[in-house]
Amino acid sequence: GEEVAQTPKHLVRGEGQKAKLYCAPIKGHSYVFWYQQVLKNEFKFLISFQNENVFDETGMPKERFSAKCLPNSPCSLEIQATKLEDSAVYFCASSQFQGSSGNTIYFGEGSWLTVV
Amino acid sequence: SQQGEEDPQALSIQEGENATMNCSYKTSINNLQWYRQNSGRGLVHLILIRSNEREKHSGRLRVTLDTSKKSSSLLITASRAADTASYFCATRRDGGSQGNLIFGKGTKLSVKP
Repeated sequence: GEEVAQTPKHLVRGEGQKAKLYCAPIKGHSYVFWYQQVLKNEFKFLISFQNENVFDETGMPKERFSAKCLPNSPCSLEIQATKLEDSAVYFCASSQFQGSSGNTIYFGEGSWLTVV
Repeated sequence: SQQGEEDPQALSIQEGENATMNCSYKTSINNLQWYRQNSGRGLVHLILIRSNEREKHSGRLRVTLDTSKKSSSLLITASRAADTASYFCATRRDGGSQGNLIFGKGTKLSVKP
């Protein structure tokens, strides 16, 4: 597709429940990024993929958070046993390193996770 | 840690006025990007300026980059109410093209009709 598609747009989970978010990158893009935005301010980098391989996971919390990008499937970000502080907007982005336009990262509309 | 730091944090102007936002960063970069985020929406890429460029234009947007001062500015001319949004600068973590983006905290721009 021509845009990064994220689902669901809104998700409400009780504390301790699992949350799973999905992202379809722009067709032809090799890199996928996940960011967390709390309180409409800082964007915290979580993880990036180059195709189905983890490229950089330095921002991923060691526990409870996992992510995958499998061939022919949307990428996913899963949070096990959610906590109140996981409430945030989770953005997926994609880019393709190709010539002069390759450095631009395109973002989806985000998935709003509320943990109650 | 934050790479880009925007200044000011908030800016309120009247329609038709120009808005200038600044961004400072810490490490060497390959390029710097500006994004806009409307309330409750995702990030929209505005413009990318490379380290060997000093100025770039796109419609009513003008971006400058001073690598010696590690700073960039975004100028929106003849602002409109629709320009009301938060604006973020972002650089690549490793200064190259494949690293993740590091964002500042953003400038919240309010354009009053």
